[in-house]
Amino acid sequence: QKEVEQDPGPLSVPEGAIVSLNCTYSNSAFQYFMWYRQYSRKGPELLMYTYSSGNKEDGRFTAQVDKSSKYISLFIRDSQPSDSATYLCAMSARTSNYQLIWGAGTKLIIKP
Amino acid sequence: SAVISQKPSRDICQRGTSLTIQCQVDSQVTMMFWYRQQPGQSLTLIATANQGSEATYESGFVIDKFPISRPNLTFSTLTVSNMSPEDSSIYLCSVAQGRDYGYTFGSGTRLTVV
Repeated sequence: QKEVEQDPGPLSVPEGAIVSLNCTYSNSAFQYFMWYRQYSRKGPELLMYTYSSGNKEDGRFTAQVDKSSKYISLFIRDSQPSDSATYLCAMSARTSNYQLIWGAGTKLIIKP
Repeated sequence: SAVISQKPSRDICQRGTSLTIQCQVDSQVTMMFWYRQQPGQSLTLIATANQGSEATYESGFVIDKFPISRPNLTFSTLTVSNMSPEDSSIYLCSVAQGRDYGYTFGSGTRLTVV
């Protein structure tokens, strides 16, 4: 079993829909949770960063962490075709020497 | 957040040759990482490169194949040595400026070995 599970998709939704992307993990020591967006032929770009549990909102993006369920989510409101990309979750533990554990990435397609 | 310039952006190389990838950061950072990403796949950490110490390699990656240089706090190089077609991949450098700031990535080097 992988430490971080993420459905690779693709996930296809119509423009304007609310998108929900998720990752589950098995290591209860993870405390730092990140979402990255990666466009084709580009490096990953940090979207959201969350420490420990709770919600964090930034514009159309909301990140949620549920440590009791070992489950994190990224919500995208009013999705746009420009949101079409691969979304990767990543996480690390305080004692991990900054090393990240990555999900497989979910390919998201927003249809105009 | 830091801005990373990674060069070259892409290259096509003959098998048996070596390629050195450069990563230049616009600010001083302690932690730098080199990743490999196969097409359509997630990221695999090759090694962690901290200035003033030897790079730490992950399982499956060895210094003879992927030598890393970290001469100062703003620059690093990764060399892919004695290349084979299996080394065709995207190579990415990344820096961490403290956990509260996340990690920043370069735009990657797309390597094709023929």
